[in-house]
Amino acid sequence: AQTVTQSQPEMSVQEAETVTLSCTYDTSESDYYLFWYKQPPSRQMILVIRQEAYKQQNATENRFSVNFQKAAKSFSLKISDSQLGDAAMYFCAYRSAFAYGGSQGNLIFGKGTKLSVKP
Amino acid sequence: DGGITQSPKYLFRKEGQNVTLSCEQNLNHDAMYWYRQDPGQGLRLIYYSQIVNDFQKGDIAEGYSVSREKKESFPLTVTSAQKNPTAFYLCASSMAWNEQFFGPGTRLTVL
Repeated sequence: AQTVTQSQPEMSVQEAETVTLSCTYDTSESDYYLFWYKQPPSRQMILVIRQEAYKQQNATENRFSVNFQKAAKSFSLKISDSQLGDAAMYFCAYRSAFAYGGSQGNLIFGKGTKLSVKP
Repeated sequence: DGGITQSPKYLFRKEGQNVTLSCEQNLNHDAMYWYRQDPGQGLRLIYYSQIVNDFQKGDIAEGYSVSREKKESFPLTVTSAQKNPTAFYLCASSMAWNEQFFGPGTRLTVL
């Protein structure tokens, strides 16, 4: 079974600085998708960025970028020019590209990293 | 506006009661999901449904039941068999191979 591990329960960053959140995963599959979700204090889950395993290029979305190391099974999130609104829980998630008995699309989540942004 | 709605936002249950959490989406998504979130546990999958009139158990289905009679709706019933139901419940939907979109959640508390 696939697992997702976020080894940093809490992180802190100064406003306007850069921070990197770590995520590792375990899988024997060759094709899959990886996601970072943000959960602010409102508790609404918001998709930040997605990465397709067969794509070599790292995904970027404005100030958010990932460092995807397939061989190392690592998927870190870099937030540049941190803003107060970036303070939230961040969850890394894995989804297989294969369907098993109707389970396509199911996400496997890490336990999250709580990011604080200091003004 | 397209989106996912969950109601109520806060729900209180007495011991031995069944309660139903509502989840509705107007995104025309085929798949819908229910997650439970506890502090320090991340999100755990309770049930999911890929098409109408079909659903599958997730990792922690015991004490819960669902139905999927309409594409737009996927209600979750927390039964009295669920011994520790106090948690935050999130509903999500997706087109089968795309990312999931989440509702705002329901906070369930047992009195």
